[in-house]
Amino acid sequence: QKEVEQNSGPLSVPEGAIASLNCTYSDRGSQSFFWYRQYSGKSPELIMFIYSNGDKEDGRFTAQLNKASQYVSLLIRDSQPSDSATYLCAVNSGGYNKLIFGAGTRLAVHP
Amino acid sequence: DAGVIQSPRHEVTEMGQEVTLRCKPISGHNSLFWYRQTMMRGLELLIYFNNNVPIDDSGMPEDRFSAKMPNASFSTLKIQPSEPRDSAVYFCASSGRTSGSVNTQYFGPGTRLTVL
Repeated sequence: QKEVEQNSGPLSVPEGAIASLNCTYSDRGSQSFFWYRQYSGKSPELIMFIYSNGDKEDGRFTAQLNKASQYVSLLIRDSQPSDSATYLCAVNSGGYNKLIFGAGTRLAVHP
Repeated sequence: DAGVIQSPRHEVTEMGQEVTLRCKPISGHNSLFWYRQTMMRGLELLIYFNNNVPIDDSGMPEDRFSAKMPNASFSTLKIQPSEPRDSAVYFCASSGRTSGSVNTQYFGPGTRLTVL
């Protein structure tokens, strides 16, 4: 059973701090990794994806990938209350663009 | 460019009734996915299609659930007969060769189903 594990949270951080969200996956064959954000009552929306080991930055967001450790993380710098949401980690599985989603980590940024 | 379109956005029905959910994927995408999301079980993949062909329906909970994709622009998910435990938000997502990542899935707004 291929799995993606995330801490359910809530992860509470003060405004302006760095929020660190983590994800582990079981399928060593996975090649692409995604972070989605889901606001309450809304659909998941893509934040960023990463293929290669190392870091990928996009604005206040940085995705980090370590394939040897089967570990993906998302850092949010200068966290804002508007970042409060559930963050879903997803990993490709097999062909046909199928993704396996984690259960999500709820982030709460307080003023 | 329009995103994934789902209808209806909300559906309230009584136990035993047939429910049909509809999805129009992003033009040019060749993969389509149906998910169900509940607080207890999170986001569950029900079935997915590639080039209009069902690839894996192992996530469909029971024979009461069926899905079709008659063409590249349209898919349906049908529940017959519906039961209260089917109450959930149902998402459709599509993916294709866009934004440098063929695996990226884009989600529709979802259909919130309530079965009384």
